[in-house]
Amino acid sequence: DIQMTQSPSSLSASVGDRVTITCRASQTISRYLSWYQHKPGKAPNLLIYAVSSLQSGVPSRFSGSGSGTDFTLTISSLQPEDFATYYCQQGYSALRTFGQGTKVEIK
Amino acid sequence: EVQLVESGGGLVQPGRSLRLFCAASGFTFDDYAMHWVRQAPGKGLEWVSSISWNSGDIGYADSVKGRFTISRDNAKNSLYLQMNSLRAEDTAFYYCAKQGGSGWYNALDYWGQGTPVTVSS
Repeated sequence: DIQMTQSPSSLSASVGDRVTITCRASQTISRYLSWYQHKPGKAPNLLIYAVSSLQSGVPSRFSGSGSGTDFTLTISSLQPEDFATYYCQQGYSALRTFGQGTKVEIK
Repeated sequence: EVQLVESGGGLVQPGRSLRLFCAASGFTFDDYAMHWVRQAPGKGLEWVSSISWNSGDIGYADSVKGRFTISRDNAKNSLYLQMNSLRAEDTAFYYCAKQGGSGWYNALDYWGQGTPVTVSS
């Protein structure tokens, strides 16, 4: 199975901060990498697909980058509504796997 | 508007069975693969199972293989998850999710609100 390792597992940041979350796959996954935002009591929300493509309706402060096994989600200027848990997921293998999540909290 | 509505969750004793349902609308259901994803209390998202548009390709996480069965009825725009031999560690919120089209590199572009499953005596 492909393992997905996110870091950090949590972070504290202020409104307006630039936030970066990383995700490493245990093997190359081509462009089969997506990012999700999840808030308590809500459905997860797709932010980024195919490493760097912004899902329709997602603010442009969210961006994704990377290749091979190393990927990054960046929030250029953190907004109050961005405090949530973020997950990467690989869609390369039949057994899809998520990273363990990064909780973004208010400093 | 794409809508995915899960139902069928509840409280069940260990070793018993439960069947989850997901009603889909707002898109051509039989064009897309579908997935089940769960979140246990205090834990992260865990992919559970997927099924291709024509049920020809099916996959399961190791944690549920042999106990859970995914299926779909394209005529009814419905997705199912039959869960047998349930264990306490299956306690979670279960989400139904739609896979994106060919350009989405297998991302899950729409999700339901989830249905809770509690396995306890």
